Amino acid sequence: GAGVSQSPRYKVAKRGQDVALRCDPISGHVSLFWYQQALGQGPEFLTYFQNEAQLDKSGLPSDRFFAERPEGSVSTLKIQRTQQEDSAVYLCASSRVQGPAQPQHFGDGTRLSIL
Amino acid sequence: AQTVTQSQPEMSVQEAETVTLSCTYDTSESDYYLFWYKQPPSRQMILVIRQEAYKQQNATENRFSVNFQKAAKSFSLKISDSQLGDAAMYFCAYRSAGDYKLSFGAGTTVTVRA
Repeated sequence: GAGVSQSPRYKVAKRGQDVALRCDPISGHVSLFWYQQALGQGPEFLTYFQNEAQLDKSGLPSDRFFAERPEGSVSTLKIQRTQQEDSAVYLCASSRVQGPAQPQHFGDGTRLSIL
Repeated sequence: AQTVTQSQPEMSVQEAETVTLSCTYDTSESDYYLFWYKQPPSRQMILVIRQEAYKQQNATENRFSVNFQKAAKSFSLKISDSQLGDAAMYFCAYRSAGDYKLSFGAGTTVTVRA
């Protein structure tokens, strides 16, 4: 596609429910990132994939958070037993190859609200 | 860990005027990259400008330019001839040359007055 696509755009869930957020990166992009952005704050790194391999998950806040990218393209971020503090915008980004000079292209994000 | 600080939560500028957003960062590394991203209400983060730390020359992209002071660890963004479409939240970000993740500041909201 032309850009990084995320779905759903908005998600409302009750506390304790499981949610799944989808990211479709730019075609051919090797690197994929997830960030969490609390209201009025800058994004914070959650996890990084190179192709299907999850190379860094140090930013995941708890073991309730799980991300996968089984075929090296689409990625899913799953949050189990959601809590109110999970409410945030979840941004996905991709880049063509791995490297610090490579720009990360962001999607529009999914705004998650936990009631 | 790297820390990126944006000390101005909000800035307001008259259309066609110039505004400067400040950013400081803390790092012990010598090779890194700095970025300014724009986030309009649509939420998509758009790369505005990028600076390599090893380059002395300040980056420029049309109406956007930076003042990179490596010794002072300062990276300010100047928006010239401000337009209504420039209204957004602006984030300063840091990325080590040996790393892949971005570290963002808290952002500055820019309002453009017609």
